[in-house]
Amino acid sequence: SQELEQSPQSLIVQEGKNLTINCTSSKTLYGLYWYKQKYGEGLIFLMMLQKGGEEKSHEKITAKLDEKKQQSSLHITASQPSHAGIYLCGADMNGNEKLTFGTGTRLTIIP
Amino acid sequence: DAGVIQSPRHEVTEMGQEVTLRCKPISGHNSLFWYRQTMMRGLELLIYFNNNVPIDDSGMPEDRFSAKMPNASFSTLKIQPSEPRDSAVYFCASSLLGRSGGQFFGPGTRLTVL
Repeated sequence: SQELEQSPQSLIVQEGKNLTINCTSSKTLYGLYWYKQKYGEGLIFLMMLQKGGEEKSHEKITAKLDEKKQQSSLHITASQPSHAGIYLCGADMNGNEKLTFGTGTRLTIIP
Repeated sequence: DAGVIQSPRHEVTEMGQEVTLRCKPISGHNSLFWYRQTMMRGLELLIYFNNNVPIDDSGMPEDRFSAKMPNASFSTLKIQPSEPRDSAVYFCASSLLGRSGGQFFGPGTRLTVL
């Protein structure tokens, strides 16, 4: 969707390095969801952000939502092979849980 | 606890045949979503239900697609007749409306229409 832009489309990172994935909306968001998907599998819920300036962390993954609630970033510290997969952001633009998803970022971790 | 259950996991059918995909949401969840994922279009919402009632079906491609939720623990997505362009992975997801826990996805059904 042009309302939601996710970047980069793909990312190749050496194991141990940090990385950031971005998700930008043309509208103010009610909520922003981050998911991870491995090939042939469903989406795994990572985190949800609702408030401007909010930041959440789980293990080595940190997600932030900017004050305007239009941009979110997902940051992975000291990447590991287990982090490889496709990361998708999903945006609630109407306050009704109807999510619009980004095109995804394919993350590859090389030894 | 069991997650969202979908069946079948894989379906191969011929053009013109009827296809029925099934979903059992997480117990206690009151919202259910059907998505379709393709390389070209990414992940698209087809329809979603709240308390078994269809709320928004604007994503359903055309009249060949229909979805039902007869009770809180079961939903179907039917395609009749199927066409090759319907080939995709179909996901079902469920959530507890009003709770910031996100939507939980099933493993998906990979549909191939020949």
